[in-house]
Amino acid sequence: DIVLTQSPDSLAVSLGERATINCKSSQSVLYSSNNKNYLAWYQQKPGQPPKLLIYWASTRESGVPDRFSGSGSGTDFTLTISSLQAEDVAVYYCQQSYTTSPERMYNFGQGTKLEIK
Amino acid sequence: QVQLVESGGGVVQPGRSLRLSCAASGFTFSYYSFHWVRQAPGKGLEWVAVISDDGNNKYYADSVKGRFTISRDNSKNTMYLQMKSLRPEDTAVYYCAREEKYTGSYHFDQWGQGTLVTVSS
Repeated sequence: DIVLTQSPDSLAVSLGERATINCKSSQSVLYSSNNKNYLAWYQQKPGQPPKLLIYWASTRESGVPDRFSGSGSGTDFTLTISSLQAEDVAVYYCQQSYTTSPERMYNFGQGTKLEIK
Repeated sequence: QVQLVESGGGVVQPGRSLRLSCAASGFTFSYYSFHWVRQAPGKGLEWVAVISDDGNNKYYADSVKGRFTISRDNSKNTMYLQMKSLRPEDTAVYYCAREEKYTGSYHFDQWGQGTLVTVSS
């Protein structure tokens, strides 16, 4: 099974500064036939369900502010918030949906808690 | 607007069963695959199960395989999770989530608010 490991587990950043969260996969999630990375990022605020931010590793979901960006390929991925806003305080999760077997698995990273410094 | 509403959670004793429901509205339910994702108190997200749009394909996390059964009724716009032989470690908020259909990326574009299942004697 593919295991996703996020770093750091928690992060404190000043308002207006850049926040960077990493996600490392134990196997490549790049599908060679379409050159797409099956990696998504979600934001979860306290008491709320997760919200999709990024899919295909770097495609921003409609309505997501452009300060959020995703990058990376294969096994190493990054979520960047270019200028932290107070409303960005949340836990962020990466998720993979890559498989070459008939069974589909969709596991998540352990999460990164983002706070204001 | 798109809405997913979970129900059926509650307190149940270890070894007992419970069935969760996820009622959908605001879109064509039968076009989409759906998932259950759970979150234990203070913990991260754990994918549980997926069912295809026609209900013919179902996959489960190893932690629930053989105990949980995912199903759907497209005539009722509702998905279910039948949980048997419940354990204390199954205590969690259970979310239903819609799998995005048009890009083929298998991400989850809509989520319900969740229903809490507590397994305790």
